[in-house]
Amino acid sequence: EDQVTQSPEALRLQEGESSSLNCSYTVSGLRGLFWYRQDPGKGPEFLFTLYSAGEEKEKERLKATLTKKESFLHITAPKPEDSATYLCAVRGETSGSRLTFGEGTQLTVNP
Amino acid sequence: GAGVSQSPRYKVAKRGQDVALRCDPISGHVSLFWYQQALGQGPEFLTYFQNEAQLDKSGLPSDRFFAERPEGSVSTLKIQRTQQEDSAVYLCASSFGGSLLSEQFFGPGTRLTVL
Repeated sequence: EDQVTQSPEALRLQEGESSSLNCSYTVSGLRGLFWYRQDPGKGPEFLFTLYSAGEEKEKERLKATLTKKESFLHITAPKPEDSATYLCAVRGETSGSRLTFGEGTQLTVNP
Repeated sequence: GAGVSQSPRYKVAKRGQDVALRCDPISGHVSLFWYQQALGQGPEFLTYFQNEAQLDKSGLPSDRFFAERPEGSVSTLKIQRTQQEDSAVYLCASSFGGSLLSEQFFGPGTRLTVL
């Protein structure tokens, strides 16, 4: 069974204070690891897909990296508008159509 | 519309009532997914359609849950004889192709409260 654990559960940063969110996963034959952003009262919004260890992707102040056991979402010089819950999800070779999500990290960036 | 829409946005039901939740995916999207999200948790997979075919319903928690997509576009998630543990946000997502690695576009969800 696929498992995803995200840490920390909650993170408070000052504007401009860079940090990283962690996603540890257990999956049989990773097919893809996904990062989503979710604002209160809204559905998740796609950020990145990573397919293999060593891969990195960037978008504005966000950079996602992947190893064989975990993924990091690095946030550089965050702004208050980056405040949201960040979700990590995986799909493996035996997952079928199921995408398994972690519980998310709730990020708050104070001005 | 440009995105995935869901209706109603909020639904309050008395225990034992039946409810129907609607999802309008992005036009032309082949794949459609339903998820259940409890407060403070990540979404949990319920079921998957490719066009009108329900290819995976392994996440449906009980036989009280039923989903359909008869014409390969709009989908309805029906919950019969609702229980308090059914209270959650129900999310619908669609993606363009049949690849399960394609980006999923989520709707805003329907918040169901069972009293």
